[in-house]
Amino acid sequence: AQSVSQHNHHVILSEAASLELGCNYSYGGTVNLFWYVQYPGQHLQLLLKYFSGDPLVKGIKGFEAEFIKSKFSFNLRKPSVQWSDTAEYFCAVRNNQGGKLIFGQGTELSVKP
Amino acid sequence: NAGVMQNPRHLVRRRGQEARLRCSPVKGHSHVYWYRQLPEEGLKFMVYLQKENIIDESGMPKERFSAEFPKEGPSILRIQQVVRGDSAAYFCASSPGELNYGYTFGSGTRLTVV
Repeated sequence: AQSVSQHNHHVILSEAASLELGCNYSYGGTVNLFWYVQYPGQHLQLLLKYFSGDPLVKGIKGFEAEFIKSKFSFNLRKPSVQWSDTAEYFCAVRNNQGGKLIFGQGTELSVKP
Repeated sequence: NAGVMQNPRHLVRRRGQEARLRCSPVKGHSHVYWYRQLPEEGLKFMVYLQKENIIDESGMPKERFSAEFPKEGPSILRIQQVVRGDSAAYFCASSPGELNYGYTFGSGTRLTVV
């Protein structure tokens, strides 16, 4: 069965600090990978996705993620966070034939001004 | 350019009542997914539907929960005889079904059972 593990439940950073959120998945086949962000009280918004090709994916708002197949990882990065990045971040996976997304448990990011 | 519309945004039900949650997908999307989000937890998959068909209901509780996506109208998630443990945020997502597309999420319905 597919599963997703996000290592950090709560991360606290100061503005301008660099961010890396870990995501590992478990699945035996070819996968598509996603990062979503959920601002307080709002719905999920797509940050970026990986389907194939260049394993370094650039998304919105300065976020990027790197797919490392050998490590089953898809870590999210941002070189310099802002207070407005305070939100919950979810990694998700699906098999490349489509269908349901499987989510990690989420990482709450708090950025101190 | 309407996204996924969910209503109501907030729903309060007494124990034993029925809750009906509605989801109108993005125009042209024929695939709908329902997720439940409990406090301090991630999103748990419940059910995946296409028009008039349930494709995957592996995340649905065996009793009291049902879902449909009729040929016309929104998708409905129905919870009968609600209990306090059903209190959660329920999110709907839609997609066009093509493999190179992602998912668009609605704003959710927050169900409170009192």
